[in-house]
Amino acid sequence: DTAVSQTPKYLVTQMGNDKSIKCEQNLGHDTMYWYKQDSKKFLKIMFSYNNKELIINETVPNRFSPKSPDKAHLNLHINSLELGDSAVYFCASHRTSGSGGELFFGEGSRLTVL
Amino acid sequence: AQSVTQLDSQVPVFEEAPVELRCNYSSSVSVYLFWYVQYPNQGLQLLLKYLSGSTLVESINGFEAEFNKSQTSFHLRKPSVHISDTAEYFCAVTYSGGYNKLIFGAGTRLAVHP
Repeated sequence: DTAVSQTPKYLVTQMGNDKSIKCEQNLGHDTMYWYKQDSKKFLKIMFSYNNKELIINETVPNRFSPKSPDKAHLNLHINSLELGDSAVYFCASHRTSGSGGELFFGEGSRLTVL
Repeated sequence: AQSVTQLDSQVPVFEEAPVELRCNYSSSVSVYLFWYVQYPNQGLQLLLKYLSGSTLVESINGFEAEFNKSQTSFHLRKPSVHISDTAEYFCAVTYSGGYNKLIFGAGTRLAVHP
């Protein structure tokens, strides 16, 4: 069983479209994250939710809207896609108590905006 | 504010040679330190972590890292690398308390040649 799963794995779309990426974790963790990895492999945190509550919101355009229907799911919706949104988006999860700080990552969703 | 500096963007090395990937961090509080590995087209996997206790931590595949508080470093070493170690390696830091905002370094590409 995949611990942190993301769908879709690949997404190719046109500028101006709206798209979503879904993430689910079956680890029983209470905190989930979205990270963006750019073409130079740099990883930057975007959002974090703890028990469905937004706790980290970095300086991300408001075209990006995360949604956490429950603590096992964290989805990312992107409106009006731009060329610069092309990247690999990683979902991660974490247990805030007793976990030793480790994040578990999904395999990534590669978004290409044409 | 926390930050992580990986001093080498690329490290080429021959098979069976030793390697060191350097990582320095800045933080005014106690930290947790991590090394993650990313194989091509895959997500990030935890390689090893320092939380507390012994400053030398080891992974199951022969890597080790030493936490040096005075030099604010957490360099990764392996005495003899294999072709299969070719990957991107990320050093990361978070503070030991509160929600886990993991800050990553820019990554070091380890390329092992035959």
